[in-house]
Amino acid sequence: QVQLVESGGGVVQPGTSLRLSCAASGFTFSTYGIHWVRQAPGKGVEWVAIIWYDGSNKYYADSVKGRFTVSRDNSKNTLYLQMNSLRAEDTAVYYCARDRCTAGSCYVMDYWGQGNLVTVSS
Amino acid sequence: DIVMTQSPDSLAVSLGERATINCKSSQSVLSSSNNKNYLAWYQQRPGQPPKLLIYWASSRESGVPARFSGSGSGTDFSLTISSLQAEDVAVYYCQQYYSTPLAFGPGTKVDIK
Repeated sequence: QVQLVESGGGVVQPGTSLRLSCAASGFTFSTYGIHWVRQAPGKGVEWVAIIWYDGSNKYYADSVKGRFTVSRDNSKNTLYLQMNSLRAEDTAVYYCARDRCTAGSCYVMDYWGQGNLVTVSS
Repeated sequence: DIVMTQSPDSLAVSLGERATINCKSSQSVLSSSNNKNYLAWYQQRPGQPPKLLIYWASSRESGVPARFSGSGSGTDFSLTISSLQAEDVAVYYCQQYYSTPLAFGPGTKVDIK
């Protein structure tokens, strides 16, 4: 069965960096785009970024562009989100989610991880 | 960027009754090249990640009960739960995937009356 497991979250100070990981299993990771989506405590969901199946295309929300970088290692079935210059407003549960389509992306998310909490606080 | 809005913010419906949620995009998400609406719906139960219900505005994801249906075109869309069940208590989000940055609506909370 498809599984996505996020890790790497925690409490960090404003201005610092953190890297999240998303370990995938149960499907051919190298053929699917993967999204990062976040949800601030008690708030709605916000799309953060997508990376295509082969890493050839990456797109970001305006709120994280220039600070966050998405990458993947298809040999390890793992997705990453490097988060720099963190702000209090980046505090959220971060989900990785599989794109519904293979070989390219259709930008709909069909499987989600359980999420990992990142807290940015001094 | 496309902005999504939803109405109402919340609603309470009796078990077995119909619930309808509305979603509006700030610009059309209908593609002239394939005549498809790039609009999806998700359900988020308490303590759970979102779950895909509907894509292409009206196509039900595999395994989603038939009581969930989507409709609409262009900028105005609806999600209808034809006969509300206890397990449908959740927040529902629409999402446009016509262009990046992708955008979700603010969510509509559905409760039992």
